[in-house]
Amino acid sequence: DIQMTQSPPSLSASVGDRVTITCRASQSISTNLNWYQQIPGKAPKLLIYLASRLQSGVPSRFSGSGSGTDFTLIITSLQPEDYATYFCQQSYNTPRTFGQGTKVEIK
Amino acid sequence: EVQLVESGGGLVQPGGSMRLSCAASGVTFSNFAMTWVRQTPGKGLEFVSSIDGRGANTFYADSVRGRFTVSRDNTRHTLYLQLNTVRPEDTATYFCAMVNSPYYNFNGEYFHSWGQGTLVIVSS
Repeated sequence: DIQMTQSPPSLSASVGDRVTITCRASQSISTNLNWYQQIPGKAPKLLIYLASRLQSGVPSRFSGSGSGTDFTLIITSLQPEDYATYFCQQSYNTPRTFGQGTKVEIK
Repeated sequence: EVQLVESGGGLVQPGGSMRLSCAASGVTFSNFAMTWVRQTPGKGLEFVSSIDGRGANTFYADSVRGRFTVSRDNTRHTLYLQLNTVRPEDTATYFCAMVNSPYYNFNGEYFHSWGQGTLVIVSS
């Protein structure tokens, strides 16, 4: 199985901050990488697919980049509603695997 | 807007059975493959099973193959997961999610809509 490793596991940031989350795959996955946001008690929400494509309706402050094994999710100006846990997921090989998540907390 | 609502979770004894359901609305259900994903504090998010839009093909994680069965009723817009011979390690919140295609396991696959999950606890 492809291992997905996210860093950091958690971070504290203030409203307006730029936030960067990284995801590393244990082997090359081209650009078959998706990002999800999960607010406690709510359904996960797709943010970015194919590494850099913004899902319809997702604010433009979210962006994704990367290919091969290294990927990045950036929130350019953190908003109160962005406090959540973020997961990456590969769709290159089966079974699909997820990162352990990065929890973004209020500073 | 797509809505997915899971139900059927609860407490089940080791070795027991349970059926989870996922009701879909706001979309032509048969046009999309569906996936079950489970989540635990310790193991995070874990793929469980997928089924194509027609219900003709299914795929399972090694950890549940032979014990869980995924199915769907497109006339009722509902996805199911039958859990048999459950183990304590099956304890998790189970989410259904909709794939961006009638097919699954292709490059570029993503899960564009998710339900809020149903909690399954396996304990005596």
